[in-house]
Amino acid sequence: EPEVTQTPSHQVTQMGQEVILRCVPISNHLYFYWYRQILGQKVEFLVSFYNNEISEKSEIFDDQFSVERPDGSNFTLKIRSTKLEDSAMYFCASGGQGHYGYTFGSGTRLTVV
Amino acid sequence: SQQGEEDPQALSIQEGENATMNCSYKTSINNLQWYRQNSGRGLVHLILIRSNEREKHSGRLRVTLDTSKKSSSLLITASRAADTASYFCATARTGNQFYFGTGTSLTVIP
Repeated sequence: EPEVTQTPSHQVTQMGQEVILRCVPISNHLYFYWYRQILGQKVEFLVSFYNNEISEKSEIFDDQFSVERPDGSNFTLKIRSTKLEDSAMYFCASGGQGHYGYTFGSGTRLTVV
Repeated sequence: SQQGEEDPQALSIQEGENATMNCSYKTSINNLQWYRQNSGRGLVHLILIRSNEREKHSGRLRVTLDTSKKSSSLLITASRAADTASYFCATARTGNQFYFGTGTSLTVIP
């Protein structure tokens, strides 16, 4: 069964450093998403991406965040200058045309120290 | 806020029993999904029910949707120890942005 692949599975970074979280969505999917889950809290929407541009973003997704689909297969989330409160599990998801269910990756656990 | 809210927050049952989890939401929706998450792992899509559907089945899963009450339920029949996980409902009104609830933590005791 097709999978969404996320790397790395765990990343530890110093506060103020830039991090890039990587995702390989399912190949024929058109819609791409990032969600995050702070430990013990809800899964929160960050951003959706379609047709090479952001289609929706939440208030969490401020100027410190950016997304890119650089080569037609990878989908990345960049956090420019990490804060302690950015520590969370980050999930990538993708969805196909006319399909309203997502396939989620297994997540990247980001720890900011 | 549109977020789904699941109840109970935690549920513990014996293997073989049925588990019922509920989800309530606040605004009109396009569809509602249920997801499962094993501890520290990713989200697995279980089932999607559209706003014009009332009931859907998938294997041992049965989902109902009552749009007049803005609520949904997930029933897992003949539970197994491997069903131990957190279960989330996620609602979508427009577009593809989903709002997740806080989840129900299900423990199935062998």
